[in-house]
Amino acid sequence: KAGVTQTPRYLIKTRGQQVTLSCSPISGHRSVSWYQQTPGQGLQFLFEYFSETQRNKGNFPGRFSGRQFSNSRSEMNVSTLELGDSALYLCASSLAPGLVSGQETQYFGPGTRLLVL
Amino acid sequence: EDQVTQSPEALRLQEGESSSLNCSYTVSGLRGLFWYRQDPGKGPEFLFTLYSAGEEKEKERLKATLTKKESFLHITAPKPEDSATYLCAVHPYGGSQGNLIFGKGTKLSVKP
Repeated sequence: KAGVTQTPRYLIKTRGQQVTLSCSPISGHRSVSWYQQTPGQGLQFLFEYFSETQRNKGNFPGRFSGRQFSNSRSEMNVSTLELGDSALYLCASSLAPGLVSGQETQYFGPGTRLLVL
Repeated sequence: EDQVTQSPEALRLQEGESSSLNCSYTVSGLRGLFWYRQDPGKGPEFLFTLYSAGEEKEKERLKATLTKKESFLHITAPKPEDSATYLCAVHPYGGSQGNLIFGKGTKLSVKP
């Protein structure tokens, strides 16, 4: 069974530009979450999608947005890039948002490394 | 405010030298606690989920335990390939599985 895939793996942008990252979840998984990982802040939750609807959103500015398609694939977009947006962006998928004892948890992709110059 | 604190930040062990990593958490209610392993340049790899105090889970040289305030990841006779950053995360009541709160991790180095 293929894991979570993310494209592109590496990206270099300049300040003010915008970027779109893509995530394909594990087959059959309908819930997708996005996290930002930086050395100083660690892993921070961005947003979560299930059945094309945003269920939760973390404490990030409106420049960060996302969406989910009917095949559960998800994209996130960052507009007007800032230097501080340089980070590893991780996508994770799970069967469903709810956590049931004994049920599998969410699985992470390899991430997209974004560098803003 | 829900939060997770991991200690130590970094740990250096000799091969075969057993030790434990700590994850302390403060949440209004715990639905689950997760341990992940992350290698440089890669996404976190799932290790364990613990649901209630007193629960223990094992996988090879790793054993995770849970109390009402903290979790431990015990590493028995570690090998160099166990070197990685170990992340702890909690899923609080009222939250979602996709909205975990992570600690900043413990970076483990095992020297041969």
